[in-house]
Amino acid sequence: EEQLVESGGGLLQPGRSLRLSCTASGFNFADSIMHWVRQVPGKGLEWVSGISWNGDNVYYGDSAKGRFTISRDNARNSLYLQMDSLRTEDTALYYCTKEAYFGGNWFDPWGQGTLVTVSS
Amino acid sequence: QSVLTQPPSVSAAPGQKVTISCSGSSSNIGNNYVSWYQQFPGTAPRLLICENNKRPSGIPDRFSGSKSDTSATLGITGLQTGDEAYYYCATWDRSRGAHLFGTGTTVTVL
Repeated sequence: EEQLVESGGGLLQPGRSLRLSCTASGFNFADSIMHWVRQVPGKGLEWVSGISWNGDNVYYGDSAKGRFTISRDNARNSLYLQMDSLRTEDTALYYCTKEAYFGGNWFDPWGQGTLVTVSS
Repeated sequence: QSVLTQPPSVSAAPGQKVTISCSGSSSNIGNNYVSWYQQFPGTAPRLLICENNKRPSGIPDRFSGSKSDTSATLGITGLQTGDEAYYYCATWDRSRGAHLFGTGTTVTVL
């Protein structure tokens, strides 16, 4: 069974940094395009960032550009999201998910999410 | 604010059919695959439809997808109380260089 488990969320003040992690199992992580998607409680889904199988190509949504950095460690089957200069509007549940193939535009599976709360 | 527009809510009686529209443009839906997701409160999204109209293994054939020009549609037939959830469309936008999710639609079974 393909599985993704996020971790690293927490409560922190504006301006601080946080690194989220996602550990994969049940599929060939090293061949997979991976993404972060977030959801403000009670609101819709927002794509945050994506990374190619080897990390050479990274993509960011407008809200993440210049502040967030996506990376991966294929030896550890792990995906990361380094979030700097956090703002209150970054408060959300952050999901890790896999894209079937480049251009497929579909995401499966999804992790359970890790909650990031930014508040003074 | 997403550029993929969905109706906020749709509803129908058990056994009936609902359709959910997802309206975009030539830079997104018009030239890219569309996928659909179901989300129950407190849970992660679940893939329902990929590549405009394909159902992954385990998804009932009551769920269907279609695409025409710059719009996509999710159909649910034989509506059940267990279908009450939020539904989102998604695709790639080549102008923005970003994946997009629709605004989301709540399905209510009357």
